[in-house]
Amino acid sequence: SQQGEEDPQALSIQEGENATMNCSYKTSINNLQWYRQNSGRGLVHLILIRSNEREKHSGRLRVTLDTSKKSSSLLITASRAADTASYFCATDAYSGAGSYQLTFGKGTKLSVIP
Amino acid sequence: ETGVTQTPRHLVMGMTNKKSLKCEQHLGHNAMYWYKQSAKKPLELMFVYNFKEQTENNSVPSRFSPECPNSSHLFLHLHTLQPEDSALYLCASSQEGGIAWGELFFGEGSRLTVL
Repeated sequence: SQQGEEDPQALSIQEGENATMNCSYKTSINNLQWYRQNSGRGLVHLILIRSNEREKHSGRLRVTLDTSKKSSSLLITASRAADTASYFCATDAYSGAGSYQLTFGKGTKLSVIP
Repeated sequence: ETGVTQTPRHLVMGMTNKKSLKCEQHLGHNAMYWYKQSAKKPLELMFVYNFKEQTENNSVPSRFSPECPNSSHLFLHLHTLQPEDSALYLCASSQEGGIAWGELFFGEGSRLTVL
């Protein structure tokens, strides 16, 4: 079953604005990751945040994690047309027999208008 | 360039054909994965190989047959597929998998169309 779910499904903003995407998940996690995918291409890892961390930064990206609410947000500041892509959160969910699986949501499709 | 190479990038096959997808990673990783991405669906994990051993098979139909001859190469053998199997098949690798899920490095994918 789907562990992570992104919101909104689609987001359209003007270049220079900030973009915020949210991810909610159902069960406890060890870490949460965000990935980006350009149309028809592979996924590219953006950032990993561990369950004992609350906030992490990487360049124009800021990720927060609230384990009490089982949610995370990805903020892209000063967006550029090149940020146009789909963004996915991924969480490690227990799959039984001592192993975990990395489960992805359906993604948020971000369009940045020049 | 992520260090994970998938071939072919595009494949069209009939329902009675047999074909294979190939994935090669140059990152020295020990875990490799096959994911399926269909339109409007979340990525679906298909198979996990950790140190060449299959550790996960997510109830994938037997018409998909994985092979991992060494830690750098992963194949997905396809036979008697259905049109609903048309999708983007993504290969990924990581340092290790199963318990410690770190960053995944993805290939560009193989776009499969089944006629």
